[in-house]
Amino acid sequence: DQQVKQNSPSLSVQEGRISILNCDYTNSMFDYFLWYKKYPAEGPTFLISISSIKDKNEDGRFTVFLNKSAKHLSLHIVPSQPGDSAVYFCAARDTGANSKLTFGKGITLSVRP
Amino acid sequence: GAGVSQSPSNKVTEKGKDVELRCDPISGHTALYWYRQSLGQGLEFLIYFQGNSAPDKSGLPSDRFSAERTGGSVSTLTIQRTQQEDSAVYLCASSLVSNTQYFGPGTRLTVL
Repeated sequence: DQQVKQNSPSLSVQEGRISILNCDYTNSMFDYFLWYKKYPAEGPTFLISISSIKDKNEDGRFTVFLNKSAKHLSLHIVPSQPGDSAVYFCAARDTGANSKLTFGKGITLSVRP
Repeated sequence: GAGVSQSPSNKVTEKGKDVELRCDPISGHTALYWYRQSLGQGLEFLIYFQGNSAPDKSGLPSDRFSAERTGGSVSTLTIQRTQQEDSAVYLCASSLVSNTQYFGPGTRLTVL
């Protein structure tokens, strides 16, 4: 029973264009959402987060949108750069459940020069 | 400052052997988590420490898995009588309570 789903395993975009990474969740108790970026042989690196009381959070080239009614969030990267090529994990947290993170399976983003 | 460190970075062992994986969290972080990532899967929660106690062990897959944390700092994950399905990357994360979790580089465990 996957509570956090990243249905597309991969995405390829041209440098300079927008990358949109999607994530869906089923548990309505999740109150905080995070995106992590992972390079091979390294641990996940925190990228950006959003609280369930917001619908948008922006940090430089990265923006996360949350649609609570649809239980959907997305990460927008614009403009995309070749260094953004990595695996991106969507994670959700139920703060009342010891703040453990529930992760999606990840999506591999490739940014073509 | 220093991030989360884990050792060893790679461990190859034979089926049936015991292994110990170590995590050094960020100094001052009271919360510590262990996750594992099997091939083609997302990260799977194993256990959570708050200080030296483990209020949530719900993710440990079997009684062959155990973990401890001493001095509110270093944590050790022990897998007894390893099986091939234990092969995965084991990741440790630390945080201030309810704040963002920061991950170490992981230990890649291969059970032959």
